[in-house]
Amino acid sequence: AQSVTQLGSHVSVSEGALVLLRCNYSSSVPPYLFWYVQYPNQGLQLLLKYTTGATLVKGINGFEAEFKKSETSFHLTKPSAHMSDAAEYFCAVPKTSYDKVIFGPGTSLSVIP
Amino acid sequence: DVKVTQSSRYLVKRTGEKVFLECVQDMDHENMFWYRQDPGLGLRLIYFSYDVKMKEKGDIPEGYSVSREKKERFSLILESASTNQTSMYLCASSSPSGPEAFFGQGTRLTVV
Repeated sequence: AQSVTQLGSHVSVSEGALVLLRCNYSSSVPPYLFWYVQYPNQGLQLLLKYTTGATLVKGINGFEAEFKKSETSFHLTKPSAHMSDAAEYFCAVPKTSYDKVIFGPGTSLSVIP
Repeated sequence: DVKVTQSSRYLVKRTGEKVFLECVQDMDHENMFWYRQDPGLGLRLIYFSYDVKMKEKGDIPEGYSVSREKKERFSLILESASTNQTSMYLCASSSPSGPEAFFGQGTRLTVV
């Protein structure tokens, strides 16, 4: 069964600094990988997804993620943090089929002015 | 845009009450989900439905039931609410042809 780990439950960065949020999945190669963002008191919004093809995936709000099979990773990055990026970020992978998705525990991102 | 609407943003209920959380989606999605979100525990799947009147238990179904009489509507039922069911509840939908789930805005339930 798939599992997802996110290193660091809380990450703080300065405004304008690089954002790096880490996600690792269990060894069986998933068909899909997702990053979701959750703003305070809101539902989750899809940030980006990896399906097939290019391993570098671009998403909304300047975020991107790279699928690295050899490292079983799908880390999320953004070159320059903005105050509006402060939110909870979840990495997610399918469980046994793409109908069921399991989520990592989440990383709370704070952006310091 | 896909829209998943949950009937309430905030609810306060008393212990022992029967509670209904309603979710409606407007994209004709086959799959619908109920998750529970708690600090430090992430999102946990309560129930999943892949068709009308069809359901599967998720990771934490105890104390919950669901109903899906129409394709667009998926209800979560707390038969007898307890304080340990105080949480944020998130509904989502997806299509088998598209892997990502679309979420509602969440219902923050407090059981007193």
